[in-house]
Amino acid sequence: QKEVEQDPGPLSVPEGAIVSLNCTYSNSAFQYFMWYRQYSRKGPELLMYTYSSGNKEDGRFTAQVDKSSKYISLFIRDSQPSDSATYLCAMSDTGANSKLTFGKGITLSVRP
Amino acid sequence: KAGVTQTPRYLIKTRGQQVTLSCSPISGHRSVSWYQQTPGQGLQFLFEYFSETQRNKGNFPGRFSGRQFSNSRSEMNVSTLELGDSALYLCASSRSPVDTQYFGPGTRLTVL
Repeated sequence: QKEVEQDPGPLSVPEGAIVSLNCTYSNSAFQYFMWYRQYSRKGPELLMYTYSSGNKEDGRFTAQVDKSSKYISLFIRDSQPSDSATYLCAMSDTGANSKLTFGKGITLSVRP
Repeated sequence: KAGVTQTPRYLIKTRGQQVTLSCSPISGHRSVSWYQQTPGQGLQFLFEYFSETQRNKGNFPGRFSGRQFSNSRSEMNVSTLELGDSALYLCASSRSPVDTQYFGPGTRLTVL
């Protein structure tokens, strides 16, 4: 079993839909949880960062961490075609930018 | 402000050869991390450097090595290339290991 599992997708939704992306993990030492977005032919860019459990909201994006279930989620409200990209969850036990363990990523397509 | 620069962007090598990839971090950033991205394994952590010192290392064979120079530029080297080393190699920089990291566009290595 991999340390971090992410739904493989791909996922296709109509514009305006609410998107839910999820990851599960097995390492209970993970304390730092991130979501990255990667456009084709680009490096990943940090979308959301959460330390330990809880929710965090930033515009149309909401990140949730449930450490008791070892489950994290990213919600995208009012999805736009510009949200079409690969989304990767990442986690670490040593720091937000240190020795990250990534999920394999899910490719999202938002249809106009 | 210029982003993370990686050179070369594309590289083709044959089995058994060695390769050196270069990363120039954002000005003022002293922390550099390297990742390997493949369709099968996703993004995997290689190593992390801060102020010329390796802070963390991922689970890769000794054929993979890296270093960081006094100007924070970093190089990674892969010796005795194998077909499975074909991947996108990503570099990320941050001011310090606890600050937001920014990824470069990557170097696409193909091993024939």
